[in-house]
Amino acid sequence: EVQLVDSGGGLVQPGGSLRLSCAASGFTFSSYWMSWVRQAPGKGLEWVASIKQDGSDKYYVDSVKGRFTISRDNAKNSLYLQMNSLRAEDTAVYYCARGGSYFPGWGQGTLVTVSS
Amino acid sequence: EIVMTQSPATLSVSPGERATLSCRASQSVSSTLAWYQQKPGQAPRLLIYAASTRATGIPARFSGSGSGTEFTLTIISLQSEDFAVYYCQQYSNWPWTFGQGTKVEIK
Repeated sequence: EVQLVDSGGGLVQPGGSLRLSCAASGFTFSSYWMSWVRQAPGKGLEWVASIKQDGSDKYYVDSVKGRFTISRDNAKNSLYLQMNSLRAEDTAVYYCARGGSYFPGWGQGTLVTVSS
Repeated sequence: EIVMTQSPATLSVSPGERATLSCRASQSVSSTLAWYQQKPGQAPRLLIYAASTRATGIPARFSGSGSGTEFTLTIISLQSEDFAVYYCQQYSNWPWTFGQGTKVEIK
């Protein structure tokens, strides 16, 4: 069974940093693109970033370029999102998702709140 | 970026009836379109990809159609578990973008 477990969310002040993690199991992690998608409270879905199987290609939505970094460790079956210079508008539930185009598997999400 | 526009924002349907949801792209995305279902407090679930291919385990009452800029998700004979929010998403051009969602509620 495909399982994605998101963690690392929390309350952080504007300008602060946070690192999200996603632990994958039930599939060959190293064979799949992986992505992060977020959802602000009461709002719709927003794709954030995607990374190729070997980490050689990465794509980001413009609003996070230069502040967020997606990475992966295939030996640990883990996906990461390093978030720096956080803003109030980054407040959202962040979902890890399997895939780099459409997303057939999702984590349960982890809430990031940026507030002073 | 490609803007995805869904209509209507809210659809009131009686159980057992058909629901028809629309999604329009600001430019052609060919058939690189997906549909998701999201229930309160849950992660989204993939229903349809490549505009018309049902994802694994998705019941046949869900169907997708369209290409280019106009797409439709049809749910025939709505069941109680189908009342949720539905999103379309294009994966033709980076950045991938979602529609704002259509809420299907009980009439």
